[in-house]
Amino acid sequence: NAGVTQTPKFRVLKTGQSMTLLCAQDMNHEYMYWYRQDPGMGLRLIHYSVGEGTTAKGEVPDGYNVSRLKKQNFLLGLESAAPSQTSVYFCASTTHVRGGQPQHFGDGTRLSIL
Amino acid sequence: GENVEQHPSTLSVQEGDSAVIKCTYSDSASNYFPWYKQELGKRPQLIIDIRSNVGEKKDQRIAVTLNKTAKHFSLHITETQPEDSAVYFCAPGEGGKLIFGQGTELSVKP
Repeated sequence: NAGVTQTPKFRVLKTGQSMTLLCAQDMNHEYMYWYRQDPGMGLRLIHYSVGEGTTAKGEVPDGYNVSRLKKQNFLLGLESAAPSQTSVYFCASTTHVRGGQPQHFGDGTRLSIL
Repeated sequence: GENVEQHPSTLSVQEGDSAVIKCTYSDSASNYFPWYKQELGKRPQLIIDIRSNVGEKKDQRIAVTLNKTAKHFSLHITETQPEDSAVYFCAPGEGGKLIFGQGTELSVKP
């Protein structure tokens, strides 16, 4: 059981380039999330999805787009990368249960933009 | 929006001592209160959580206490060990969304 898998693990981009980060989960979770984590800080929510075909903005959505075409996959896109987007990106998923459920995280993608 | 603060930001203890980290939040709608542990270069991992209808929960050396009236909850680690050294995050939330605190770096000295 792989859980939450993120690809790629590392990437270096030049300013202005585009790329897509892929998150896949095999736990049949309804909810999926993208966070970014900068040095010395907690995780900040970029976008999230409460089900296939749905997306919503989090705390820091500017400069990012997402898509959830299949329940098991959640894609994060950077259309025109900027140095301020250098960060570690984490994907997470959870079930839909009233009262809250733990989020399960992937190993992260370390992204550097030059 | 939700304002989440953790204290202290760094904590150094001797092996065997206890450690306590406090998390305050502002959104009274929060109904789920987890604590995550993150080792250097690794993913955050849930270590304990509590829901708003419970005041305290224990799991071996780890406990969480919740005061909904005062809007804070705390992580308690007893008999600390060097492998407890990590960054700990609180992440109160509701409706499937979590807001993470800035983290507390715990260092356990042998």
